[in-house]
Amino acid sequence: DTGVSQDPRHKITKRGQNVTFRCDPISEHNRLYWYRQTLGQGPEFLTYFQNEAQLEKSRLLSDRFSAERPKGSFSTLEIQRTEQGDSAMYLCASSPGFDGDEQFFGPGTRLTVL
Amino acid sequence: EDQVTQSPEALRLQEGESSSLNCSYTVSGLRGLFWYRQDPGKGPEFLFTLYSAGEEKEKERLKATLTKKESFLHITAPKPEDSATYLCAVQPTNAGNNRKLIWGLGTSLAVNP
Repeated sequence: DTGVSQDPRHKITKRGQNVTFRCDPISEHNRLYWYRQTLGQGPEFLTYFQNEAQLEKSRLLSDRFSAERPKGSFSTLEIQRTEQGDSAMYLCASSPGFDGDEQFFGPGTRLTVL
Repeated sequence: EDQVTQSPEALRLQEGESSSLNCSYTVSGLRGLFWYRQDPGKGPEFLFTLYSAGEEKEKERLKATLTKKESFLHITAPKPEDSATYLCAVQPTNAGNNRKLIWGLGTSLAVNP
């Protein structure tokens, strides 16, 4: 399967703990996006990478959130000192860039903060 | 302000009962409009991209159309497996290099056998 993959699919953690999620985009897609989605809402933009460069980060994103894409391939999203309000589905999407603007999503990581 | 509104919020159909979902948008300029399907607990699945008024795209029982102010997703003779949330997203011409999408809240479709 050559689609976007995310790991883990589910994560349950206690408030105050740190969590890290991984996203493997479709190979050769140079654009990578992280979104957060809660029930009944559309995806909320978090951050965007073009190759290894993080070009935009949502102003809604607190300093507890950080993302990397060290070699322009896979990406990680870390949340430090988790809060109950961080509970959501975290989605990763990739896009081919010049060949098209469609974003292809992974299955998501469901985070529950107790 | 750029905005996307989807209606209805929820729709229940009998199997075989055709209907349409609406996505109205307000943007200074449209680069593209995207339709996605999302099943519970999963990521959105790409369906269509529309770029200009009058454009139509089809896939199985789904057909998407675009005007200057709205898009419709027509579902012909739906089956229970078409039950999902359908999301619309718009990419403005001023989206910048990140090609950011503006999302609607979706229409939750249930098709009864």
